[in-house]
Amino acid sequence: AQSVTQPDIHITVSEGASLELRCNYSYGATPYLFWYVQSPGQGLQLLLKYFSGDTLVQGIKGFEAEFKRSQSSFNLRKPSVHWSDAAEYFCAVGASTGGFKTIFGAGTRLFVKA
Amino acid sequence: DSGVTQTPKHLITATGQRVTLRCSPRSGDLSVYWYQQSLDQGLQFLIQYYNGEERAKGNILERFSAQQFPDLHSELNLSSLELGDSALYFCASSVERSLNNEQFFGPGTRLTVL
Repeated sequence: AQSVTQPDIHITVSEGASLELRCNYSYGATPYLFWYVQSPGQGLQLLLKYFSGDTLVQGIKGFEAEFKRSQSSFNLRKPSVHWSDAAEYFCAVGASTGGFKTIFGAGTRLFVKA
Repeated sequence: DSGVTQTPKHLITATGQRVTLRCSPRSGDLSVYWYQQSLDQGLQFLIQYYNGEERAKGNILERFSAQQFPDLHSELNLSSLELGDSALYFCASSVERSLNNEQFFGPGTRLTVL
């Protein structure tokens, strides 16, 4: 069955430090992968997505993610974190077997300290 | 602003009651998705409609039902409410029929069952 695992429930980084949020997926075919961000009290917003082609994808707000098929991973990175990046981040995979649906990971909450 | 609207923003009701949540998708989007987000279950996909027809089903309880109307707005009906139904309910919309595309999320409806 398709699944998405985000191993870290929460992460704390200092402002200006680099960030990497981990995401592993389980899906038999070529996956469609997404990262979303949810700020407190708001809905989810798409950061970036990967369908095919270049395995390093750029998103909004200075985020990027790299698809690694051999590791079944799609980790999100940012070279320098800003306090406004504090939010919850969701990795998701679009599954197209047995009907179309998007499977979200449990999320990683990012705390940014001054 | 994603362009997806949800009403009401907050809803407080009692166990055993029935409520209706409403969603208006972005202009031009034919697909509507419903999600439930709670602390213990995370973000769960409930159901998707495309141009008035049910397209995909997720972890939706039998006490819950949804529909999409000819003007493409959607309603999620929750009946025989239980304490555990307290959660944030999000609606999202997208252009295409498959889920392999960006979904735009509304701000959510916070349901509290007392």
